[in-house]
Amino acid sequence: AQSVTQLGSHVSVSEGALVLLRCNYSSSVPPYLFWYVQYPNQGLQLLLKYTTGATLVKGINGFEAEFKKSETSFHLTKPSAHMSDAAEYFCAVSGSSASKIIFGSGTRLSIRP
Amino acid sequence: NAGVTQTPKFRVLKTGQSMTLLCAQDMNHEYMYWYRQDPGMGLRLIHYSVGEGTTAKGEVPDGYNVSRLKKQNFLLGLESAAPSQTSVYFCASGRTGMSQETQYFGPGTRLLVL
Repeated sequence: AQSVTQLGSHVSVSEGALVLLRCNYSSSVPPYLFWYVQYPNQGLQLLLKYTTGATLVKGINGFEAEFKKSETSFHLTKPSAHMSDAAEYFCAVSGSSASKIIFGSGTRLSIRP
Repeated sequence: NAGVTQTPKFRVLKTGQSMTLLCAQDMNHEYMYWYRQDPGMGLRLIHYSVGEGTTAKGEVPDGYNVSRLKKQNFLLGLESAAPSQTSVYFCASGRTGMSQETQYFGPGTRLLVL
């Protein structure tokens, strides 16, 4: 079975500050890991994903995430927050079964001016 | 190229009423999915389809039915709506259904059941 835990349902940072959104996963098979972003009143869109190979994955809009197998983590970071980054972020895992992806409960990111 | 579209955007139902949500994709994807999104619970898979004419149950299928008569369309039906079905519904599609594949989401349908 697979599961995802996102630590912190709401994170608030100042514009220009580091963004760190935490995600831990559980998987009995090698995982594929995703971060999706949902802007207000929109559907989800892929930010980045880890499949195999390099453990540091770069995504759109300056975000990146590092797959750490020993810590079962896939935290999302961005060096400098921008007002346009305000959105809800979902971590997700798949791997054991085609067509099935498990989403975390989401983290809402707010940016303070 | 519209991607994934959903109809309607918002609907209010009374308990016991029925309705159908329509999802359409123009990317020629084989796989389509219906999710519901509830506060603090992320997205949960209701039903999915691996191709035209096929459907399968997801994590929370009770109270819903689906049909995939055409490859580009995936319909989600509520035969007798209940307040517990108040949610935001998202449709998604994928080309192959492989575990590492990106899913493409529609903008969502907000459903309120009174």
